[in-house]
Amino acid sequence: NAGVTQTPKFRILKIGQSMTLQCTQDMNHNYMYWYRQDPGMGLKLIYYSVGAGITDKGEVPNGYNVSRSTTEDFPLRLELAAPSQTSVYFCASSYADNTEAFFGQGTRLTVV
Amino acid sequence: AQTVTQSQPEMSVQEAETVTLSCTYDTSESDYYLFWYKQPPSRQMILVIRQEAYKQQNATENRFSVNFQKAAKSFSLKISDSQLGDAAMYFCAYRGGSNYKLTFGKGTLLTVNP
Repeated sequence: NAGVTQTPKFRILKIGQSMTLQCTQDMNHNYMYWYRQDPGMGLKLIYYSVGAGITDKGEVPNGYNVSRSTTEDFPLRLELAAPSQTSVYFCASSYADNTEAFFGQGTRLTVV
Repeated sequence: AQTVTQSQPEMSVQEAETVTLSCTYDTSESDYYLFWYKQPPSRQMILVIRQEAYKQQNATENRFSVNFQKAAKSFSLKISDSQLGDAAMYFCAYRGGSNYKLTFGKGTLLTVNP
C-alpha cells in the first residue's frame, strides 16, 4: 500500500507564482486534510474535506484553495505565492469511523 | 475551539532511562480522542499511541504509555527504556468526537543522550 502520497517533496517558488501541491491516498478514506508546519508552531490546519465534493476551511486558509473531485485526490492550490507561505506542508487522511490519521511525507516549500 | 498545550519545548533523557512528556487540552466535549505523534528528522509523522476518552484504562504500546487524566484534561506520554531512535519531535493531538479535525500542540523536541 502506498498510503498517502504527496508531490513534490521540495519546491522553490518566486513571489507571485502559483503552484499545486498534489495529494493522493489509496486507502479509500473519506476524510482528508492539509496542514502547514512552521518551526515551533506545531501543525496548523489549512483545509479539510469530509468527502468528494465537500471542503471546508481550517485555521489558516487565506492564500490557499482546494478541491476534492474524487475520494483519492485532494490538491492544494497556492495562488500568488508569498514569503509567509514558506513552510512544510502535510497532507493526511482518515476513515470517517476510524480516528487515526495517516500522513504523507510532506512538501518543503520555499517562496523567495 | 479546542486547544492543545505542550509546555515543554525541549526535553532530554539518558539512554535506557524514562522520560515523561506533558500535554494538556481544553475542550467542552465528552467524547474525543487523543494522540501522540512522533516526527523524526525524516519529517514523517508516525502515530505512537492513542487514547479514547471513554476508556478509563491508560493506553500502552510496548515502551510507550500514557497517563490520561480526563478531569484534569491531561494526557502525558511516558517513554521507558529510552533508545537513541526515540529522539524526535513529539506532538500531542486532539480530535473531537463530533468532527474530524485533528488539533496539534506545538511539539516537544526530545533528545536522547548516549
